[in-house]
This record gives sequence, structure tokens and C-alpha cells, in this order.
Amino acid sequence: KQEVTQIPAALSVPEGENLVLNCSFTDSAIYNLQWFRQDPGKGLTSLLLIQSSQREQTSGRLNASLDKSSGRSTLYIAASQPGDSATYLCAVISGNTPLVFGKGTRLSVIA
Amino acid sequence: DAGVTQSPTHLIKTRGQQVTLRCSPISGHKSVSWYQQVLGQGPQFIFQYYEKEERGRGNFPDRFSARQFPNYSSELNVNALLLGDSALYLCASSVLGGQGNSPLHFGNGTRLTVT
Repeated sequence: KQEVTQIPAALSVPEGENLVLNCSFTDSAIYNLQWFRQDPGKGLTSLLLIQSSQREQTSGRLNASLDKSSGRSTLYIAASQPGDSATYLCAVISGNTPLVFGKGTRLSVIA
Repeated sequence: DAGVTQSPTHLIKTRGQQVTLRCSPISGHKSVSWYQQVLGQGPQFIFQYYEKEERGRGNFPDRFSARQFPNYSSELNVNALLLGDSALYLCASSVLGGQGNSPLHFGNGTRLTVT
């Protein structure tokens, strides 16, 4: 059974700092991994999708990496801004199962 | 382009009642999935439908049911509501169901409160 863990559960950083969010999964036989952002009480916004054959994806100040063999992914946020404050969720698809999510990392960027 | 739309946005029900939640996928998307998100947790998979057929079911009791219509919209029904059913219910659509290079796009959810 696939399990996804995200560390840390919460993170508070000053504006302008670079930061890394971590995600690990137990079954390395995945099709893809997605990073989502969730604002309080809202739905999920897809940030980046990495296919199993890829090592990383970039979008603006965001960079996500994937090391499938070790069951790890990181989301790197450069030059953080207060508007980046949200919960960041990692999710994987493997086999015929749907997305399996971690519990998320709650990020606060302090101005 | 319209994203995934869900209705209603908020709902308050009493224990034992029944509720129906609705979802309209992005135009051209044929797969709809439903997720339950309890406060402080990641979303948990409930159902997936593709081309009007059930493709997957999560570990939820038979009180939960769903269907997909010919226009690919979907309904989630929950009978005999319990306090523990209080959650944010998320609908997601995709072209193929999320595998490979087919990301899931989520709506803003329906916040269900059971009293």
C-alpha cells in the first residue's frame, strides 16, 4: 500500500528566503508525482507534475525534483514571498490506484 | 476556460440525512474523481469515473455512492450522514484519469458540516 509522507508538517520563513519541502513515498513504482498548493478552505491548485521518467520540472520560482529509486521528491521555492503562504501537498499515482496524498506542509512566509 | 465547478460551496446537514454534491469537469475531460479531505489531512480517494463507468473505489462505506452523466458531470451521494462525514469534498477532472502525463485539476470543493 502506497504511503506518502511530507516533512516538515509546518514551516515559517522570512520573506526572500529559499526553501525546500520534502516528500517521500514507500512504493517506487509510480507513474507520476504531482505537487499541489492549497489555500485555506479552498481546493487544490496543481503546481508541477513529474513523470516517472523525469528527474525534475520547473515553473517560475518553483523547481520539483524526483528520485524514484529512493522514493523522494523535493519542492524548491526560490526567493519566497508572503503570497507563497499556503499548504503544499505532494501526491503520487502508482499502478491502478488513484492519487495518494501526503498530509501536506503548511508554509508561512513572514514579511 | 472554466475550471472544475462544484456545487454547493457550503452545506449544513443533520445526522441521518442524505446529501448530493455536484461536479462539472473541465470541458473535454472525461474522468471525474471524488476526494474527501478532513481538516489537517491530505485528501482521501472516494471514487473515480471514466466515460460514465466506475474505475475505482476507495475505502469508504456503502453509504457513499456516485455516478457520472453523459455530459461527464458527476454527483456524489452520501446517505445516513454521520458527524465524521464533515469534511471538504473535492472533485477533480482529467483527460485520462491522472496516469502518465494527465494531471488532475481540482475544484474548490464543497464544505459539508454534519451537526
